[in-house]
Amino acid sequence: GQNIDQPTEMTATEGAIVQINCTYQTSGFNGLFWYQQHAGEAPTFLSYNVLDGLEEKGRFSSFLSRSKGYSYLLLKELQMKDSASYLCAAFNDYKLSFGAGTTVTVRA
Amino acid sequence: DVKVTQSSRYLVKRTGEKVFLECVQDMDHENMFWYRQDPGLGLRLIYFSYDVKMKEKGDIPEGYSVSREKKERFSLILESASTNQTSMYLCASSLGGTGESPLHFGNGTRLTVT
Repeated sequence: GQNIDQPTEMTATEGAIVQINCTYQTSGFNGLFWYQQHAGEAPTFLSYNVLDGLEEKGRFSSFLSRSKGYSYLLLKELQMKDSASYLCAAFNDYKLSFGAGTTVTVRA
Repeated sequence: DVKVTQSSRYLVKRTGEKVFLECVQDMDHENMFWYRQDPGLGLRLIYFSYDVKMKEKGDIPEGYSVSREKKERFSLILESASTNQTSMYLCASSLGGTGESPLHFGNGTRLTVT
């Protein structure tokens, strides 16, 4: 089975940095996805890590440690539009299993 | 851009009714998925399909069935709707093969069973 844990909520100030942690315990593992979901909208793809290390994409970065079953999503220079839910998902064969999501609120 | 279209945005059905949720994708993707999303539980996989006429159970298949007669269309069927199936249903598709291909989601169908 799959067990994926991430914090329920986080709050940060505009311009700041926020790090969303995700731990996973899975029966098999091929890679780790992060998705962003604004309220009332579909999830959209942010990043995918298959190897250990940091992947940087503009203001967003994602890190993976396979040996520790751990990932984080780093959001830099926060903007109001970054207020959303961030979903961690572990990939195994064809299946993607999601955590419950972390709601990030950005305050002015 | 990949487009995944779900036939209804909002749906209200009565307990015991047979319900069809339709999903169509326009990018020739091999894989298609049905998830439900509930507060505090996240997205849970109901069924998925990696080829026409193929289907695999996800984590919570009970009370649901699926149909994939054409590559672009994946239908979710609630044989006899119950109130605990009130939820947001999300369809997704991805390219075949290994996991590097991200899921592309539809906008969801909010189903209420009364």
